[in-house]
Amino acid sequence: EVQLVESGGGQVKPGGSLRLSCAASGFIFRNYNMNWVRQASGKGLEWVSSISSSSLNRYYSDSVEGRFTISRDNAKNSLFLQMNSLRVDDTALYYCATSITGTTLFDSWGQGVLVTVSS
Amino acid sequence: SYVLTQPPSVSVAPGKTATIACGGNNIGGKSVHWYQQKSGQAPVLVVQHDSDRPSGVSERFSGSNSGNTATLTITRVEVGDEADYYCQVWSSSGGDEWVFGGGTKLTVL
Repeated sequence: EVQLVESGGGQVKPGGSLRLSCAASGFIFRNYNMNWVRQASGKGLEWVSSISSSSLNRYYSDSVEGRFTISRDNAKNSLFLQMNSLRVDDTALYYCATSITGTTLFDSWGQGVLVTVSS
Repeated sequence: SYVLTQPPSVSVAPGKTATIACGGNNIGGKSVHWYQQKSGQAPVLVVQHDSDRPSGVSERFSGSNSGNTATLTITRVEVGDEADYYCQVWSSSGGDEWVFGGGTKLTVL
């Protein structure tokens, strides 16, 4: 069974930094592309970033480009999101999600981790 | 960037058929995926690649895609189908991006 467990969230002041982690199990991590998707309270889903299985390709939404960095450690079955220069509108529940290589969908999701940016 | 448009809400009586539209410029040329998100839960993929059901998803869920509109259809709607539904595509115009529709709240009356 696929399991994705996010951690690292919390409250931070505007301009601050956080590093999210996603621990994966139940599947061959190195064979999957990985993604971060966020959802502000009461709002819809918003794609944040994606990374290919080998880390060769990384993609970012315009709203986080230049501030967030996605990475992964295939030896430790882990996905990361380094978030710098955080803004109030980055406040959201951040989900980790898998994508089978060669597809553009999100087939498994974690339960999410809350990031709150507030002064 | 590419935009997907969904109605904010759809209401349907139990046992009836619900249809949720997802509009986008020539969306028929893209592969559309649909997610169900129940209150307080993570999203779940219910339709992939326009019309395929992932393993374990009820056959009551189906999809279609043509022209400028993709559609999610739920037949014999149950109270347990009440949720937010999101369409999603990948677009390469102007750079790779994964795009979600704004979501549709399905209310089972």
